[in-house]
Amino acid sequence: EIVLTQPPGTLSLSPGERAALSCRASQIVSSDYLGWYQQKPGQAPRLLIYGASRRATGIPDRFSGSGSGTDFTLTISRLEPEDSAVYYCQQYGISPLTFGGGTKVEIK
Amino acid sequence: QVQLVQSGAEVKKPGASVKVSCKASGYTFSGYDINWVRQATGQGLEWMGWVNPKSANTGYAQRFQGRVTMTMSTSTSTAYMELSSLTSEDTAVYYCVRYFSDSSGYYTKGGDYWGQGTLVTVSS
Repeated sequence: EIVLTQPPGTLSLSPGERAALSCRASQIVSSDYLGWYQQKPGQAPRLLIYGASRRATGIPDRFSGSGSGTDFTLTISRLEPEDSAVYYCQQYGISPLTFGGGTKVEIK
Repeated sequence: QVQLVQSGAEVKKPGASVKVSCKASGYTFSGYDINWVRQATGQGLEWMGWVNPKSANTGYAQRFQGRVTMTMSTSTSTAYMELSSLTSEDTAVYYCVRYFSDSSGYYTKGGDYWGQGTLVTVSS
């Protein structure tokens, strides 16, 4: 199965700063099948990015995705307090579908 | 609007089975797969499998093979996930998630709508 690694475990940043979250795959993932989710405490995850770089409906343009092959990045250009959450990447092209372990973003 | 509404919390004893439902509304039920994902407290997301409402085909993660059954009722637009031989390690929140697949069977968008989650607690 494809293992997705998301270092580091936690990012602590200030409002207005830029966050770059990494997702590394154990084998090549087609960009068409890489997504990012945001999960806040007590809530279900929310799809932010699909196809590596396409924003889901209603997602602010401060969220962007990039990457290809085995290295993908979710960028939050200007952090806002409500961006405090855990962010997961997922590959959905090859079964079993797999998620990364998540990166927690803390807003100082 | 699209909604996935799951059944309520369950408490089960070790060795028992649990069946969680996921009622869909606001879209054509047969047009999207339903996947199930679980999350133990404080842990990450774990994919369990999928069911296609049009064909009734299923696919399960290997670690759940033989223990999980995913079904659906097109008449009520409801998907079900049944997990048997429960242990304390199955204590988690279980989510149903909608995925759209193209004509080749590949998911094109990721899980765009999620149920609210169902907490299953396994305890003696």
